[in-house]
Amino acid sequence: KNEVEQSPQNLTAQEGEFITINCSYSVGISALHWLQQHPGGGIVSLFMLSSGKKKHGRLIATINIQEKHSSLHITASHPRDSAVYICAAVRGAQKLVFGQGTRLTINP
Amino acid sequence: SQTIHQWPATLVQPVGSPLSLECTVEGTSNPNLYWYRQAAGRGLQLLFYSVGIGQISSEVPQNLSASRPQDRQFILSSKKLLLSDSGFYLCAWRLAANYGYTFGSGTRLTVV
Repeated sequence: KNEVEQSPQNLTAQEGEFITINCSYSVGISALHWLQQHPGGGIVSLFMLSSGKKKHGRLIATINIQEKHSSLHITASHPRDSAVYICAAVRGAQKLVFGQGTRLTINP
Repeated sequence: SQTIHQWPATLVQPVGSPLSLECTVEGTSNPNLYWYRQAAGRGLQLLFYSVGIGQISSEVPQNLSASRPQDRQFILSSKKLLLSDSGFYLCAWRLAANYGYTFGSGTRLTVV
């Protein structure tokens, strides 16, 4: 079992739908990152959070430390949101442990 | 503002040939630097990190090595590439622990 598990692995939705991607981890962490990887491979950091909730535009990330669970939500989804979303747990001072990613496709 | 440059973007190399991928950061000093690899169909994996010039930590024993000859330069190398070295290599930096990461655009390496 991976230390960081994401679900679902693949998600297809229609434009405008509310999207939720889940991330569970099995070890103690100091923070968690949500990353977005576009088809060309480049990665953009969306959020880093260690507690509570963060919002940026249509993106919302939450984390529950006690339950070892984080979610990424996208409101009013758009085809340009199509990408692979990756959660990564910060273990120790330098190590990121990555989930396997969720491939999101938003159809117009 | 800080930027990170990684090159080349794509590379096709024969088995047994050497490798040198370079990553440079601008606009900051003494960044923490990282090399990650994403093999086909798999998640990202930390290969090396550096917290200062000449300081390299390896996470996974493999055919690769890293060097940091200057404060904002991080190089990933191999003397002889293997087929299993194929993948997508990403460089990243951050100011220090507890800061967010900024990733380079990546190098897609195909060993043939």
